Amino acid sequence: SQTIHQWPATLVQPVGSPLSLECTVEGTSNPNLYWYRQAAGRGLQLLFYSVGIGQISSEVPQNLSASRPQDRQFILSSKKLLLSDSGFYLCAWSEPTSTGELFFGEGSRLTVL
Amino acid sequence: GQNIDQPTEMTATEGAIVQINCTYQTSGFNGLFWYQQHAGEAPTFLSYNVLDGLEEKGRFSSFLSRSKGYSYLLLKELQMKDSASYLCAVGSNYQLIWGAGTKLIIKP
Repeated sequence: SQTIHQWPATLVQPVGSPLSLECTVEGTSNPNLYWYRQAAGRGLQLLFYSVGIGQISSEVPQNLSASRPQDRQFILSSKKLLLSDSGFYLCAWSEPTSTGELFFGEGSRLTVL
Repeated sequence: GQNIDQPTEMTATEGAIVQINCTYQTSGFNGLFWYQQHAGEAPTFLSYNVLDGLEEKGRFSSFLSRSKGYSYLLLKELQMKDSASYLCAVGSNYQLIWGAGTKLIIKP
């Protein structure tokens, strides 16, 4: 069966510090991969999605970046965090030919102070 | 533009029935999803509708009317564990457009 895991689950970072969130998927090949952010009381905001290794599409201009160094690995990064980067970050995957059903990782709660 | 509307919060009583509505306007339509999200956790899939009509799955049912851009999620025999946010999402051009979610509060 397929599984998705992301880490860390919780982190508190000072403004201006770097960020790295990692996500891995097991049990499937060539998945579509996604990074979402969810602010309190808001809907899910798509940040990045990837349909293959090295292929990243950015949905929202910001100081975040994403990379996909391996087929089932997706990394969200920042060189300098802003206060507004605080939120709940979710990694998700879907089958490449699916109707769009997403399977989410556990989520990472980021607080920037 | 693309827009999905659902109520911000609803309250219901344990054992009762509640209907959560969702209206949408999107440039494309590949189906409508409902997800459940407990506080502090990731969303989990509940239902998928691509054709008009009612899909029943245990205590949960989901209805779709494409001509009206409307869906609802019906929860029967409410239990305390159903307290969560319910997210409506529309597949459009092979991505999901998300509503802000409806927080459902269940009272004893």
